[in-house]
Amino acid sequence: NAGVTQTPKFQVLKTGQSMTLQCAQDMNHEYMSWYRQDPGMGLRLIHYSVGAGITDQGEVPNGYNVSRSTTEDFPLRLLSAAPSQTSVYFCASSSLGGTYNEQFFGPGTRLTVL
Amino acid sequence: SQKIEQNSEALNIQEGKTATLTCNYTNYSPAYLQWYRQDPGRGPVFLLLIRENEKEKRKERLKVTFDTTLKQSLFHITASQPADSATYLCALVENYGQNFVFGPGTRLSVLP
Repeated sequence: NAGVTQTPKFQVLKTGQSMTLQCAQDMNHEYMSWYRQDPGMGLRLIHYSVGAGITDQGEVPNGYNVSRSTTEDFPLRLLSAAPSQTSVYFCASSSLGGTYNEQFFGPGTRLTVL
Repeated sequence: SQKIEQNSEALNIQEGKTATLTCNYTNYSPAYLQWYRQDPGRGPVFLLLIRENEKEKRKERLKVTFDTTLKQSLFHITASQPADSATYLCALVENYGQNFVFGPGTRLSVLP
């Protein structure tokens, strides 16, 4: 099992550019989520999904779109990048209704917006 | 407003001592609380979970307590080792695992 994979590992964008951060998991987890992590602020939830075709907003959804067409994939789209979106982005997945509902995290994508 | 805090941004302790990290929250009703470890440049890794009706959980050198009256969880690492140096995050879980709220983390350094 690869667990949760994210691509790319690093990305530099110019203001106004768009891009998609990829996330995939091979554990058949229902729940998938995207977080951003900024110094001193911990992980903040951007969007999450409880299954294919179902997504919902987290704490900081503005400027980001998601879709969930399959159980395995949960891409995050930046529509028009802004310097405030410079951050480290983590994708995570977990099984709903399990004993621990532990989240498995990917290795992260470090994004810089100039 | 809702808030989750961890006692300090950084904590230094001597090898062999017990490290105690604190997680406090306000205006949440968590079903359970989780603790994660995060090493530099990596994603968080799950360590322990404690439910609202449990007072204490142990796993090897780790111990977690949960006091819903005080709205506080304590995370202990006994006989700490330099390899325990990392950032530790607490996470509240609401709504049957659909809403995870993370604290800012405490960076623990265990000095040899």
